[in-house]
Amino acid sequence: EIVLTQSPGTLSLSPGERATLSCRASQSVSNNYLAWYQQKPGQAPRLLISGASSRATGIPDRFSGSGSGTDFTLTISRLEPEDFAVFYCQQYGGSPPYTFGQGTKLQI
Amino acid sequence: QVQLQESGPGLVKPSQTLSLTCTVSGGSISSGGYYWSWIRQPAGKGLEWIGRLYTSGSTNYNPSLKSRVTISVDTSKNQFSLKLNSVTAADTAVYYCARVGRSVVDFDYWGQGTLVTVSS
Repeated sequence: EIVLTQSPGTLSLSPGERATLSCRASQSVSNNYLAWYQQKPGQAPRLLISGASSRATGIPDRFSGSGSGTDFTLTISRLEPEDFAVFYCQQYGGSPPYTFGQGTKLQI
Repeated sequence: QVQLQESGPGLVKPSQTLSLTCTVSGGSISSGGYYWSWIRQPAGKGLEWIGRLYTSGSTNYNPSLKSRVTISVDTSKNQFSLKLNSVTAADTAVYYCARVGRSVVDFDYWGQGTLVTVSS
């Protein structure tokens, strides 16, 4: 089972700044099958990025994903007030189980 | 627009069986060749994938829960269900149902989640 480790645990930034979130896998993620989600309090996670770098439908272009192998990054180019939330990475190794990282809290 | 809605008891006694249902609207559960999943999240913690079901009835489960989990489908009601037996306090969590995306890699539609507490 692939273990995903996210860093930092908490990231404190201000609106307008750039956010860089990291997700490291314990072994190579096949075919870059890595996704990113945003979760706000009391809500279900929302898919942001699929396949490491493809934005999901309706996701603003200030969100971008990059990386391959074991190191992946979610970048938010200019933070908007509504962007502050917890972010999770998730991998699929070609067969179950799916696994998630422990999350990064992005706070003002 | 696909919508998912979880339902079921919010309180389950230890050693009993947790049973939840996910009702899918906005599309047929049996068309499109999608997988459907259950995911849970203990309070203040991360997400754990429980298992998935294909509309043919085939299933895959998280090895950590496999001995206690059953996911099934009722296409006539456009629903799929989760049963988790022999529950303990460690199974207390918000349970989400979700659709696995076309790529099979991620989860593109989620229910709002339902809190299940295991307590006597």
